[in-house]
Amino acid sequence: KAGVTQTPRYLIKTRGQQVTLSCSPISGHRSVSWYQQTPGQGLQFLFEYFSETQRNKGNFPGRFSGRQFSNSRSEMNVSTLELGDSALYLCASTPIGLRQMNTEAFFGQGTRLTVV
Amino acid sequence: ELKVEQNPLFLSMQEGKNYTIYCNYSTTSDRLYWYRQDPGKSLESLFVLLSNGAVKQEGRLMASLDTKARLSTLHITAAVHDLSATYFCAVDRSGGSNYKLTFGKGTLLTVNP
Repeated sequence: KAGVTQTPRYLIKTRGQQVTLSCSPISGHRSVSWYQQTPGQGLQFLFEYFSETQRNKGNFPGRFSGRQFSNSRSEMNVSTLELGDSALYLCASTPIGLRQMNTEAFFGQGTRLTVV
Repeated sequence: ELKVEQNPLFLSMQEGKNYTIYCNYSTTSDRLYWYRQDPGKSLESLFVLLSNGAVKQEGRLMASLDTKARLSTLHITAAVHDLSATYFCAVDRSGGSNYKLTFGKGTLLTVNP
């Protein structure tokens, strides 16, 4: 069973540019969440999509946005990049609806974004 | 606002020793998760704790959950170098659907020969 796939793995962008990251969840998982990991703030929840709808959003500025497609793949976009956006961006997929006893979120390898 | 606090944040221990990492959280939740992260890598799920009194063990690691005290512990027995990593606890804020986790700051564990 394939895991969560994130592309690209590494990105270097310049301040002011925009960037799009992609996440393909585990087959059959319909929920995709995004997290930002930085040394200073740790792991922080960005937003979650389910059935192409954003259901929850963390405390991030509007420059951070996302979407989900009908095949559950998700993209997140960051516009007008700032140096502080340099981070590891992780996505996680969850088998919502199955209500398994040991259900959990499965994380991808992440995209390392460096803003220069 | 839910807060998840781990301590210690840094732990250096010798092989063969035992130690415990603590995870306190500020609001009611009966779902807590432990993850491991190696440098530059993603999060690997270690334990899923779903109810008060839950105890799970895998190799040299044992996790427990006390929902009344809002406390989870990750106990390391007879540490070995391969356990060196950062360990995170996380609390589910989505009522059981696991799509909105709040993480602790992580505990960087270094096991020295």
